Amino acid sequence: DTGVSQDPRHKITKRGQNVTFRCDPISEHNRLYWYRQTLGQGPEFLTYFQNEAQLEKSRLLSDRFSAERPKGSFSTLEIQRTEQGDSAMYLCASSDWDSNQPQHFGDGTRLSIL
Amino acid sequence: AQTVTQSQPEMSVQEAETVTLSCTYDTSESDYYLFWYKQPPSRQMILVIRQEAYKQQNATENRFSVNFQKAAKSFSLKISDSQLGDAAMYFCATQGGSEKLVFGKGTKLTVNP
Repeated sequence: DTGVSQDPRHKITKRGQNVTFRCDPISEHNRLYWYRQTLGQGPEFLTYFQNEAQLEKSRLLSDRFSAERPKGSFSTLEIQRTEQGDSAMYLCASSDWDSNQPQHFGDGTRLSIL
Repeated sequence: AQTVTQSQPEMSVQEAETVTLSCTYDTSESDYYLFWYKQPPSRQMILVIRQEAYKQQNATENRFSVNFQKAAKSFSLKISDSQLGDAAMYFCATQGGSEKLVFGKGTKLTVNP
């Protein structure tokens, strides 16, 4: 069990650029979640997958955001035309629905928009 | 909609003493879970303890225990024999009716030597 892995740990980009983050869940975990955490706040849910199917999306996930989990393993979160308000920590979590496991979180990707 | 309120932005405790972190929540679900997560500075969120709402017995994990008052929708965390490594942000969260976790704003715990 190597834990949830996220890459990169920190991303700095200029406003208007596109960014993509990757999350590798704990192996055999069939559920994968994305959250966003801004300074001084708790994490807010963005979306989650059961295997490769995206089952729920938050209203926070605007048209500029897209998430995929093409083979039911790793997932990517892409933000197009980044804005200042996108600066946040993006957290990934995974769980095993079959055994009613709680969600295990990765270290997160910190996005800074210049 | 579910909401979680943590009314203590910051708390401090002396090493080896006991501290209680407060959390209230609101949900229309009859079946739900409650959690406390710990987030040390620049480190990942770690599950501290989980409570299933249908269980009346309060959950315990070593030095960590909860006081679950279902009617009052209260879910406080007690940390006994506090250690320096307990210093972190603590988040209360609920999950029910959906797979998403709904978090409070957190309580920053400082442990003084």
